[in-house]
Amino acid sequence: DAGVTQSPTHLIKTRGQQVTLRCSPKSGHDTVSWYQQALGQGPQFIFQYYEEEERQRGNFPDRFSGHQYPNYSSELNVNALLLGDSALYLCASSTGQPNQPQHFGDGTRLSIL
Amino acid sequence: RKEVEQDPGPFNVPEGATVAFNCTYSNSASQSFFWYRQDCRKEPKLLMSVYSSGNEDGRFTAQLNRASQYISLLIRDSKLSDSATYLCVVTDIMEYGNKLVFGAGTILRVKS
Repeated sequence: DAGVTQSPTHLIKTRGQQVTLRCSPKSGHDTVSWYQQALGQGPQFIFQYYEEEERQRGNFPDRFSGHQYPNYSSELNVNALLLGDSALYLCASSTGQPNQPQHFGDGTRLSIL
Repeated sequence: RKEVEQDPGPFNVPEGATVAFNCTYSNSASQSFFWYRQDCRKEPKLLMSVYSSGNEDGRFTAQLNRASQYISLLIRDSKLSDSATYLCVVTDIMEYGNKLVFGAGTILRVKS
């Protein structure tokens, strides 16, 4: 039973470019959340997807957008990349119930030059 | 003020020691509580859920005090393999859905 899978594992971009990160949730999970983790910090909530819609959003600009497909997989898109977007991007899947833990993928390490 | 606060450490302890981490959270409406473990440059992994009644999993004991909005993790008989960053996590219920709110993490280094 595969857990949460993310791709790519590493990515290098330059300022102003656009990036798409991908996530496949754990089997049986229908809710996908995205987090950004800067060096030395805890992960910060970006947004959550359920039934192909963005259900809730954290304090991130509109440059960050996403999508969820009917098979529950998800994408995170970031436009007009800034140096400060360099971080580990984590996808977490769950059943959506608040008392159930979220399970994380290995993450995508994004570096902006 | 951060919503979840932890002592960043690092805690440097010898093998076999007992170490305790504390965490406070500011949102009294937070509903679920967890400790996650994160190894260097890896993803967070669930260590254990935390309940008001307290719960134990082998050498690990977690406790929640809702009145004080305080969460703790106790590790007994520390092993070298326990070296990691321990993240205190609460679940906030939003208008739709829920989100995890993480502390910045406490670094544990167990030395032989």
